[in-house]
Amino acid sequence: DIQMTQSPSSVSASVGDRVTITCRASQGISRWLAWYQEKPGKAPKLLIYEISTLQSGVPSRFSGSGSGTDFTLTISGLQPEDFATYYCQQAQSFPLTFGGGTKVEIK
Amino acid sequence: EVQLVESGGDSVQPGGSLRLSCAASGFTFSTYWMHWVRQAPGEGLVWVSYVHSDASATSYADSVKGRFTISRDNAKSTLYLQMNSLRVEDTAVYYCARAVSGSLDLWGRGTLVTVSS
Repeated sequence: DIQMTQSPSSVSASVGDRVTITCRASQGISRWLAWYQEKPGKAPKLLIYEISTLQSGVPSRFSGSGSGTDFTLTISGLQPEDFATYYCQQAQSFPLTFGGGTKVEIK
Repeated sequence: EVQLVESGGDSVQPGGSLRLSCAASGFTFSTYWMHWVRQAPGEGLVWVSYVHSDASATSYADSVKGRFTISRDNAKSTLYLQMNSLRVEDTAVYYCARAVSGSLDLWGRGTLVTVSS
């Protein structure tokens, strides 16, 4: 199984800050990396797929980058609605696996 | 409206069975791979199972293999998860999700399964 290691597990930030979340895969996953946002009581929401492609309707302050085994999600200019938990996920092979999550909290 | 709506979650005793359903609407269900993902209370997302668009292939997490069965009825635009021999550790919110390019682009709101004696 491909392990996905996300860091940090939590981050405190202020509105307007730039936040970077990293995700490392235990082996190469080509372009099969997605990022999700989850808020309490709501279904996860796809933000980015294939490393860097923004899902329709997602604000451009979200961006993804990386290659091979190392990937990042960047939020440029944190907004109040961005305080949530973020997960990476690989789709290189079954079982699909998610990172442990990063909670973005208000400083 | 494009949506997925899960149902069938309940409270059951260990060893019991449940069948979850996921009703799809607003899109051509039969053309998409579908997945189940679960989230235990206070925990992260865990993939459970997938079924090919024409049901020709499936895959399962090791933790549910041999106990859970995924299926679909494309005529009814409905996804199912038959869960047998339920364990306390199967307690979670179960989400169905639509797959595109390896990612899960549409999720339901989830249905809660509680396994407890």
